[in-house]
Amino acid sequence: KAGVTQTPRYLIKTRGQQVTLSCSPISGHRSVSWYQQTPGQGLQFLFEYFSETQRNKGNFPGRFSGRQFSNSRSEMNVSTLELGDSALYLCASSGSHNEQFFGPGTRLTVL
Amino acid sequence: AQSVAQPEDQVNVAEGNPLTVKCTYSVSGNPYLFWYVQYPNRGLQFLLKYITGDNLVKGSYGFEAEFNKSQTSFHLKKPSALVSDSALYFCAVRDNNNAGNMLTFGGGTRLMVKP
Repeated sequence: KAGVTQTPRYLIKTRGQQVTLSCSPISGHRSVSWYQQTPGQGLQFLFEYFSETQRNKGNFPGRFSGRQFSNSRSEMNVSTLELGDSALYLCASSGSHNEQFFGPGTRLTVL
Repeated sequence: AQSVAQPEDQVNVAEGNPLTVKCTYSVSGNPYLFWYVQYPNRGLQFLLKYITGDNLVKGSYGFEAEFNKSQTSFHLKKPSALVSDSALYFCAVRDNNNAGNMLTFGGGTRLMVKP
């Protein structure tokens, strides 16, 4: 099976812009979760989608949003980018066995 | 609320020696526990999990972890370290009372294995 794929792998934006990141889960997985990884805050949960519905949400401002499509692919959007949004954004998919499988991440740099 | 603590930022061990990476957790319900490894510029790679059953869990690449409910710990171990084990290791917990797969991660422990 192909693993979790994320596009793009690298992204450079300026403050105030918005960005959309994409994640394709492992075939058959219906749960997709998003995490932000920074040197200062570590790994933090953003949100989880299951069957096109947001099932859990972390403690992030409303500028961070997501959605899931009927084929389980997911996107996350960050509006009005701030310098502090620079991070590695990781997507993970999960099937019926509880463990999550992570993609390689999207490295977002905000200038 | 759930939390994970990895008390050591870095663990140094000589190749061939046993290694331990420590993890303690806090959840309100029963824990699902996980270990992940991250190599530079890569995502997280699943190593092993504890859901229920035997307290000693075996995982990938010769790693194992011991669940200790009374000490709320889930330390990662390997009998003989390899230089290629050098990486960043994360412990994570999920409260099985909550629907969904939300994981709370520890801050990570950098493992350095020296030849």
